[in-house]
Amino acid sequence: KQEVTQIPAALSVPEGENLVLNCSFTDSAIYNLQWFRQDPGKGLTSLLLIQSSQREQTSGRLNASLDKSSGRSTLYIAASQPGDSATYLCAVSLNTNAGKSTFGDGTTLTVKP
Amino acid sequence: DGGITQSPKYLFRKEGQNVTLSCEQNLNHDAMYWYRQDPGQGLRLIYYSQIVNDFQKGDIAEGYSVSREKKESFPLTVTSAQKNPTAFYLCASSMKHSGANVLTFGAGSRLTVL
Repeated sequence: KQEVTQIPAALSVPEGENLVLNCSFTDSAIYNLQWFRQDPGKGLTSLLLIQSSQREQTSGRLNASLDKSSGRSTLYIAASQPGDSATYLCAVSLNTNAGKSTFGDGTTLTVKP
Repeated sequence: DGGITQSPKYLFRKEGQNVTLSCEQNLNHDAMYWYRQDPGQGLRLIYYSQIVNDFQKGDIAEGYSVSREKKESFPLTVTSAQKNPTAFYLCASSMKHSGANVLTFGAGSRLTVL
């Protein structure tokens, strides 16, 4: 059974700092990996999706990398801003059925002004 | 604008009552999903449906029921058999058999049992 772990559970940084969030998974035979953002009491917003054949994806200040062989993905956030404060979740899919992804518990990020 | 609408946003239930959470999408997505999220935890799949009039159990289906009579709608009923129903419920959808199978989520419904 696929297990997804996100460490640390919480992270606090000063504004402007570059930071990395980690996601590890136990079954490397993945179809894709997706990073989401969740604001308190809200739904999830998709940030980046990496297919199993890709090594990274970029969107603005966000860069996600994937290393299938080691079962790891990282989300890099450059020049963090207070508006980046949220919980970030990764989800791993083993096939085209996106909704059967296994989700991590998330990392709650606080960016202090 | 296309999206997923969940209602109600907040719901209170007395023990022994069934309640139904609504999920409607206008994205023309084939697949729809219901998840439960408990504090500090990730999402757990309750039920999913890939086509109209068909649905499958997820990891924690006990005490829940669904229907998929229309492509746009996938309501979730939390029955009295669900022992610990207080949670945040999220509905999502995606295109079936899409290579970039991005999940789109609704804003969620918070259910509290009194």
